[in-house]
Amino acid sequence: EDQVTQSPEALRLQEGESSSLNCSYTVSGLRGLFWYRQDPGKGPEFLFTLYSAGEEKEKERLKATLTKKESFLHITAPKPEDSATYLCAVQAEGSSASKIIFGSGTRLSIRP
Amino acid sequence: NAGVMQNPRHLVRRRGQEARLRCSPMKGHSHVYWYRQLPEEGLKFMVYLQKENIIDESGMPKERFSAEFPKEGPSILRIQQVVRGDSAAYFCASSPRGGSADTQYFGPGTRLTVL
Repeated sequence: EDQVTQSPEALRLQEGESSSLNCSYTVSGLRGLFWYRQDPGKGPEFLFTLYSAGEEKEKERLKATLTKKESFLHITAPKPEDSATYLCAVQAEGSSASKIIFGSGTRLSIRP
Repeated sequence: NAGVMQNPRHLVRRRGQEARLRCSPMKGHSHVYWYRQLPEEGLKFMVYLQKENIIDESGMPKERFSAEFPKEGPSILRIQQVVRGDSAAYFCASSPRGGSADTQYFGPGTRLTVL
């Protein structure tokens, strides 16, 4: 069964303290892996799509990387406004068109 | 350049009533997806629709839930005879093409509370 597991569940960092969030996945074949950010009471905001192992993408203080088994979201010198829940999702080959499977998320809190 | 729009943002219903949730996709997008997020849980896929067609409803409960995306107008998620367990945030997403890891863009959600 296709599965996505994110760790840690929650992470508290000091402003400027860099760290990484993990997303491990088990799928029969990967079409794409997605990272979203979700603020309380709002919908997920798209960050990145990764398609193949070795691919990397960056946006401001965030960098996403992908291997055959997992993805990392690296946060460099975070600021309080980076506090949010970060969601990882995968689309598997063979699944109907565009159904994507979400992990439970990592709640990131950045203290000033 | 409006994003995905959902209304209402908050909906309160008593047990046994009907709930209708509406979703207007981003301009140029013809593929719509509905997800449910229960408190303290992740997003769960419910249904995928194109204009006038249901493509995949494997995540939708067999009873009381239905979805449509008519030729004109928004997509509608309908929940009949709501129960307390239906209380959740319901998110709609849209994409332009619908395949090959097409990125889905989410709306702000409708928060349904069943009393």
